[in-house]
Amino acid sequence: SQTIHQWPATLVQPVGSPLSLECTVEGTSNPNLYWYRQAAGRGLQLLFYSVGIGQISSEVPQNLSASRPQDRQFILSSKKLLLSDSGFYLCAWSSRGGSYEQYFGPGTRLTVT
Amino acid sequence: GDSVTQMEGPVTLSEEAFLTINCTYTATGYPSLFWYVQYPGEGLQLLLKATKADDKGSNKGFEATYRKETTSFHLEKGSVQVSDSAVYFCALIIQTGANNLFFGTGTRLTVIP
Repeated sequence: SQTIHQWPATLVQPVGSPLSLECTVEGTSNPNLYWYRQAAGRGLQLLFYSVGIGQISSEVPQNLSASRPQDRQFILSSKKLLLSDSGFYLCAWSSRGGSYEQYFGPGTRLTVT
Repeated sequence: GDSVTQMEGPVTLSEEAFLTINCTYTATGYPSLFWYVQYPGEGLQLLLKATKADDKGSNKGFEATYRKETTSFHLEKGSVQVSDSAVYFCALIIQTGANNLFFGTGTRLTVIP
């Protein structure tokens, strides 16, 4: 069966520090991968998605970036965090073709202080 | 553009009460529709889905019917339990490209004994 992992689970970082969040998927090949952010009390915002290694599409301009160095690995990064980057970050995957649902990881709660 | 409008919460119900959470959508194509549930501190889990008009998705006592004529996908449960307390998200996918999910803002449900 497929599983999706995210780490770390929680993170507290000062303003201006770098960020690296990692997501890996097991049990499937060539997935579509997604990064979402959920700000406190709000819905989910799609940040990035990827349909293959090295292929990243950004949905919103910001100081975050994403990379996909391997087929089942998706990384969210920042060189300098802002207070507004605080939130709950969720990684998700979906299969190519066929069903369209997305499956979510457990999330990373980021607090920028 | 494509969007989902979801009933604002929070919603507080007594155990065994009837639940309805309204969801309407705007889509340029023929979307698939989903309800996701987020339990406290966790990621999102797919609750149910419907991929074409008049389909009924169901799971764990929850149901939602894809109504094309009213562009709606309301979530219902006949008798809620305390364990149903969570945030519920309505979402749609237009079946193209990377299949990006558009989420509603979420509805927080609290069920009291």
